[in-house]
Amino acid sequence: DAKTTQPPSMDCAEGRAANLPCNHSTISGNEYVYWYRQIHSQGPQYIIHGLKNNETNEMASLIITEDRKSSTLILPHATLRDTAVYYCIVRVTGANNLFFGTGTRLTVIP
Amino acid sequence: GAVVSQHPSWVICKSGTSVKIECRSLDFQATTMFWYRQFPKQSLMLMATSNEGSKATYEQGVEKDKFLINHASLTLSTLTVTSAHPEDSSFYICSARSGRANIQYFGAGTRLSVL
Repeated sequence: DAKTTQPPSMDCAEGRAANLPCNHSTISGNEYVYWYRQIHSQGPQYIIHGLKNNETNEMASLIITEDRKSSTLILPHATLRDTAVYYCIVRVTGANNLFFGTGTRLTVIP
Repeated sequence: GAVVSQHPSWVICKSGTSVKIECRSLDFQATTMFWYRQFPKQSLMLMATSNEGSKATYEQGVEKDKFLINHASLTLSTLTVTSAHPEDSSFYICSARSGRANIQYFGAGTRLSVL
C-alpha cells in the first residue's frame, strides 16, 4: 500500500470548513483513498473513500487531485464533536488490512 | 453505516487470568475480521486477521498462543488474551469488512487493564 503524509495537527474554528490535506504521491492506479477518524477512546469511524472522482456524503467531501497524488477531506461546518485524529489511508480494494499512520489531530475551537 | 459491536468495552483483570473479547457484525456478514491493538498516544497496530472457518493470520511479533482468535461464524470473532500480564494492558479494537461496500467498520474498542 502507498504511504501517506499528513500534517500532525490542525485547528479549525467552530462553524468553519475544515480542510485536511493528505499526500500520497506513490499511489498506484488501483488504490483507493480512505478517510477514517478516531475520537478519543473510541474505535475508528469510516468517513468516506474514493478512487479518482470527488465524493460527497452526509459527513464530508473528498477532493482528489487529477494526478491522484494528493487529496483533501473537507468537513463543511466543523463542530466541537469533530475534534479527532483523522487518518488518510490508501489501499487496493479487496486487500486485507488498513494501515494506520499517525494521522492529523484536528482540534475544533469554540 | 454498518455496525460492529464489541464487548466488553472495559475490563479489569488480575495478572495470570484470561480475558475474552467479542466482536460481532450486526447487520452484515464478515468472512474476514481484524484485531488491532493501540497503546496510549500511538496509532492502531494490526495484531491478526481472522478468517471464518480457518486459522487466524498473525502479524510478526504477535504470539498466537497468547492471543487466541476464533472466528466460528460469519458474524462473530473472539479474541482471548490468555495469562494476561500488565504489559498486555491496552486498547483492543476489532474490525469487520463489509464485502458489498468494501468498507472496514470498527468496533468501539475494549480497554483492558491487567493488575
